[in-house]
Amino acid sequence: EAQVTQNPRYLITVTGKKLTVTCSQNMNHEYMSWYRQDPGLGLRQIYYSMNVEVTDKGDVPEGYKVSRKEKRNFPLILESPSPNQTSLYFCASSYLTGGNEQYFGPGTRLTVT
Amino acid sequence: KQEVTQIPAALSVPEGENLVLNCSFTDSAIYNLQWFRQDPGKGLTSLLLIQSSQREQTSGRLNASLDTSSGRSTLYIAASQPGDSATYLCAVVRGNNDMRFGAGTRLTVKP
Repeated sequence: EAQVTQNPRYLITVTGKKLTVTCSQNMNHEYMSWYRQDPGLGLRQIYYSMNVEVTDKGDVPEGYKVSRKEKRNFPLILESPSPNQTSLYFCASSYLTGGNEQYFGPGTRLTVT
Repeated sequence: KQEVTQIPAALSVPEGENLVLNCSFTDSAIYNLQWFRQDPGKGLTSLLLIQSSQREQTSGRLNASLDTSSGRSTLYIAASQPGDSATYLCAVVRGNNDMRFGAGTRLTVKP
């Protein structure tokens, strides 16, 4: 089954404790991206990747890191999480050429205390 | 910068009504537009994808139209059911797969 998976689905952590949210897709998509969703602000892009070893900042990259060492995986790293990073996070993927449907993961709800 | 607006922000209708959700965008140079459904605290379910060269797409009781020249899309839901209650998001895609979302319309269908 074609899908985007994220782990963990729920995470409660404390300020400053490094964490990684994994994202994996099995559709051989070149393009992958991370979004965060906050009440009243909608979905905003954090980082995106056009292919292996190619990443770029989205609208709200501060406090986040990503890597793309393999085509199927695109982990989101929070080196020192802060309470303002409490949010619902989504990973998405698609073929690179414009006009292709983007597929979304189930979301990761992160709470930073 | 691409801005995407959805009106209304919330809508409550009795079961069985036909309804229209609106989405407008400021930059008409898009590749496609997607409509998603999101249940509370859940992920996004893709409903319809309309390419910029298309006028509309249909899936069951859903029909989405697209007019790039005016920067507008509508999602028509026929014979609404309580199970249709959710937030509906539209998103436009430009170059580099840049996807911009509207804030959504929260739909409640009352039995």
